[in-house]
Parts: sequence; C-alpha cells; structure tokens
Amino acid sequence: GAGVSQTPSNKVTEKGKYVELRCDPISGHTALYWYRQSLGQGPEFLIYFQGTGAADDSGLPNDRFFAVRPEGSVSTLKIQRTERGDSAVYLCASRGQAAGTGELFFGEGSRLTVL
Amino acid sequence: GIQVEQSPPDLILQEGANSTLRCNFSDSVNNLQWFHQNPWGQLINLFYIPSGTKQNGRLSATTVATERYSLLYISSSQTTDSGVYFCAVAQAGTASKLTFGTGTRLQVTL
Repeated sequence: GAGVSQTPSNKVTEKGKYVELRCDPISGHTALYWYRQSLGQGPEFLIYFQGTGAADDSGLPNDRFFAVRPEGSVSTLKIQRTERGDSAVYLCASRGQAAGTGELFFGEGSRLTVL
Repeated sequence: GIQVEQSPPDLILQEGANSTLRCNFSDSVNNLQWFHQNPWGQLINLFYIPSGTKQNGRLSATTVATERYSLLYISSSQTTDSGVYFCAVAQAGTASKLTFGTGTRLQVTL
C-alpha cells in the first residue's frame, strides 16, 4: 500500500482479555517496527523485524506481549491478559532499505483502552 | 542507551513568527529524524537528516553530528504547524531502532 496501515484504529477491551493489533507495512519494506506511546510521552520501541524474524525484541515489557510476521509482510502484535497499564497507542513503522539505515515511516496507530 | 533531549518543552507563537527547536543526543548516530505529530496522533515525517542541512518550504533542519545536536527551524508559522515535534535518533548497528525525545509542544495562535 501507499502507507503503513494499522487496524483496528481503536480497540476497547476489558482487563484480562486477549488483543491482536495488525500492521500492514509499505509494500516492499523489509524492516518493521512496533512502538508504544503513552499519553504525553514519546514513542517507545517494542520490537523490530527484518523479514520474518524478530531481530530485536528488547523493548517488549513482559511475556504477555508477543509479535509475529510469518510471511515477512503483515505483522500482528498480540497482548495476553491485558492490564489497564497496557492502555496506549501502538504504532507500527516500516523501512525500505535492507542495510541497517534509512528513514522510518509510521502508521496512524491503534489506540488500545483497557477498562 | 542513548539519551535524547529536546528544548523547549513548550512553545507558544503568534502566527507569522519564526522559531528554532533543538535536539541534543548523547552518542554518535547514523539516523536522525524529525516528526510532527498532529492533533490526531499521526506522526508525519519532516526530515531524515543524520547530518547536514535540508530545507522543505518553510521548514529547514541542520544536524551537526560531531557536536551531537540538531535544529529544526520553522519560519512564518501557521496555525496548522501546531502539535508536537519529535526528534528521534538511532545509533550505528541498531538497524535504525529510533529513540525518541520527549518532544516540543508548539501552539501557534492567531
């Protein structure tokens, strides 16, 4: 697609439920990133994929968070047993260059509210 | 990890005024980007500028990598420039894993 697409744009769930957030990167981009932005803060890194594999998952806060990218394109961020503190905007970004540098482009985000 | 500081944290301008936003970072970088986050939360790419100077319309940016800072200039500000401006950097060998500053919140009034 023309830009990074994220769905859903808004998700309201109850504490303890399971949530999936989807990211469709710019066509042909091999690198994909997930970030989380809490109110009043800058985005914080969660996980980075190069192709199908998670090259860096050092930002995932705990084992309730998991992400996959099985075919090297679309990625899904999965959150188990959601907690109120997980409420935030989850941003996805992609980058086109295979080498380790280059410009990141962000989607509009998925706003998660855990009641 | 790398530290990113932005100043000022808040800025109020009258329409037509000019401003300079600053980003300081604590280590050498091979990626530096400036973003504008609009009131709807969308991060809009302004500049990809790990070094040098670039201009795009009323906006320009300069990064002095050896001195570990970058500046974003906004000239003849308009109300549509309002929002939060983020600087984000990545160190070499991190595959452009960006670390964001805390942002500068800009409000442009009539």
